[in-house]
Amino acid sequence: AAGVIQSPRHLIKEKRETATLKCYPIPRHDTVYWYQQGPGQDPQFLISFYEKMQSDKGSIPDRFSAQQFSDYHSELNMSSLELGDSALYFCASSSNRGGGVNPDTQYFGPGTRLTVL
Amino acid sequence: GESVGLHLPTLSVQEGDNSIINCAYSNSASDYFIWYKQESGKGPQFIIDIRSNMDKRQGQRVTVLLNKTVKHLSLQIAATQPGDSAVYFCAEILTGTASKLTFGTGTRLQVTL
Repeated sequence: AAGVIQSPRHLIKEKRETATLKCYPIPRHDTVYWYQQGPGQDPQFLISFYEKMQSDKGSIPDRFSAQQFSDYHSELNMSSLELGDSALYFCASSSNRGGGVNPDTQYFGPGTRLTVL
Repeated sequence: GESVGLHLPTLSVQEGDNSIINCAYSNSASDYFIWYKQESGKGPQFIIDIRSNMDKRQGQRVTVLLNKTVKHLSLQIAATQPGDSAVYFCAEILTGTASKLTFGTGTRLQVTL
């Protein structure tokens, strides 16, 4: 079965640079979520989109922005990168269209490992 | 890939034994709970879920128990196998459109031969 696709898988940036992470949800999923996971930490929610509209916001820095496009893929834009932004960034998707047994189940992609030097 | 959960609680079990991983959740209003398995360098993988109107749910080799009185979840893995070695997270959610997951502290499961 098709899974969530994230690109790139690895990204190395210098401080103060910008980065763009991409997420392609499972086909027919209309909702995407972004999570950040630091070393030894649990994933922390950043932001989510449902039907191309931002639906919830967590601990996302003002330097970060995100959007969901008409084909439901999402991009996380990160500017003025700091050393502390080094982490694994996961995208998850779910279907909130009312179908399926468990519409709230979020399925995670493989993540993008961002290293800021 | 980088190890996940370098300083997480660790549970060591012998292959073939049963494993029990515990989790305390924080929000009494949460109505949906999920267990995820995360292998090193990979994304969390869905294992099993349970709604707040249930106290037990069984899957293949796994059972989730929910005690709402004390806000406690447990994941039981029967006949633990080496491939079960990973970090396990419980997550809670207040259901609704695009609701966020709140993860608990992970537990590293080490299966010894």
